[in-house]
Order: sequence, then C-alpha cells, then structure tokens
Amino acid sequence: ETGVTQTPRHLVMGMTNKKSLKCEQHLGHNAMYWYKQSAKKPLELMFVYNFKEQTENNSVPSRFSPECPNSSHLFLHLHTLQPEDSALYLCASSQGAGLRPNQPQHFGDGTRLSIL
Amino acid sequence: GENVEQHPSTLSVQEGDSAVIKCTYSDSASNYFPWYKQELGKRPQLIIDIRSNVGEKKDQRIAVTLNKTAKHFSLHITETQPEDSAVYFCAVESSNYQLIWGAGTKLIIKP
Repeated sequence: ETGVTQTPRHLVMGMTNKKSLKCEQHLGHNAMYWYKQSAKKPLELMFVYNFKEQTENNSVPSRFSPECPNSSHLFLHLHTLQPEDSALYLCASSQGAGLRPNQPQHFGDGTRLSIL
Repeated sequence: GENVEQHPSTLSVQEGDSAVIKCTYSDSASNYFPWYKQELGKRPQLIIDIRSNVGEKKDQRIAVTLNKTAKHFSLHITETQPEDSAVYFCAVESSNYQLIWGAGTKLIIKP
C-alpha cells in the first residue's frame, strides 16, 4: 500500500541541525496527522490539520514546526532537537478529523529519527 | 479527557491457540473503537473496528467485542499463526473525533 508516503525513512541529526520530514497522501483525504511513537508508549498525537488548517497542537515544543501547504502534503520542520526526541515519527491521514466521526486513519511507514 | 488502558503489554501464545487483548476507556460517549496491527518495522494498519451500535464484529479469525456498559472492548484472534506476531493497538474516538490510543500489546506466537 502506498497511500501515505513518508521521507526520509531514517534520519540521524545533531542537536544543532535543521531538517524536515515529509509526508504525502494519495487517498484524497482532508485531514493529516503527525504522531510520535516511542518504545512501550502509546502513540502521541502531535499535530492535526484539516483542510490545511491546524486544528490540534498537543503541547508540542516549538522545536517542532509543522507545515501543511495543501491537503496532500505535510511537513515537520525540526531544529535544535534533544536526545529525547529520538523516536519513530508517523504521518497519517483520514477523510476528516473533528468533522465526521468514525474515520479510520491510514499511516505511512514513518521516519526513524535519531538525535546525536 | 478520554483515557485508554490496554492489557496485557505482552502476550505469548502457542501457535493455533487463541489470543485476547482488552482495552478499557473512560468516556461513555465514545462510539468508535478501531484496532491496529503494527508488524516490526512497518506502519500501523487497521485490522478491524466496531461502532457502538453493535456488540460484536467478526472478520475471519479476528473478532472484536464491545461492552459499552462496562466501557471495555476486546480483540480476539483464533487459530493464531506466526504472521499474527506483531504489536496491536486499540484506539477510542474521543468527543472531538480524535483517536486516543492504548499503549500496545506485543503478541508473540510460539511455534
């Protein structure tokens, strides 16, 4: 399944670097999400976009900056990250978030991020 | 807000036996309960979901049961096979239609 594509798959960066994660969905969905997945913890919702508008920001530090230029693309800009930010970052999409109930989410393969 | 607890965190069963994973939630108004499977190094994928107007749903070897009164739902996998080995996540749709996730259950199928 290639409905949701994330690049890069792996990223190693120093704490002073600036990098961006990219997500693209080809499912015609209107909502896109960023999640952080750490070992043995629930999926942590970071950001939600509906029709390009940010509707959720779950107290995410400002060193993570999302961008959604259109309903098909989502970016996560990273700068001055900390070692505890090392995790798998998953992108997902759905028909609509907060607008219609019972909408399953479709995930990308994630970006494995390691902060040195 | 909604709180979701998932048990057990690890489950080891003999191939061919059944596996049951349970999730409890706190918001009685929740109406949508999906289950996702995440194989090692792969994306989470929806395997089955249930809405609050039914008590049970089955798809081949997988079934989900829902008890709205007790606020818990369970994933049942029968005749387990090696390819069932994965991490399984439950989720509950909150009042603003966001998914609240359980911590996951690592299912190990022993040959």
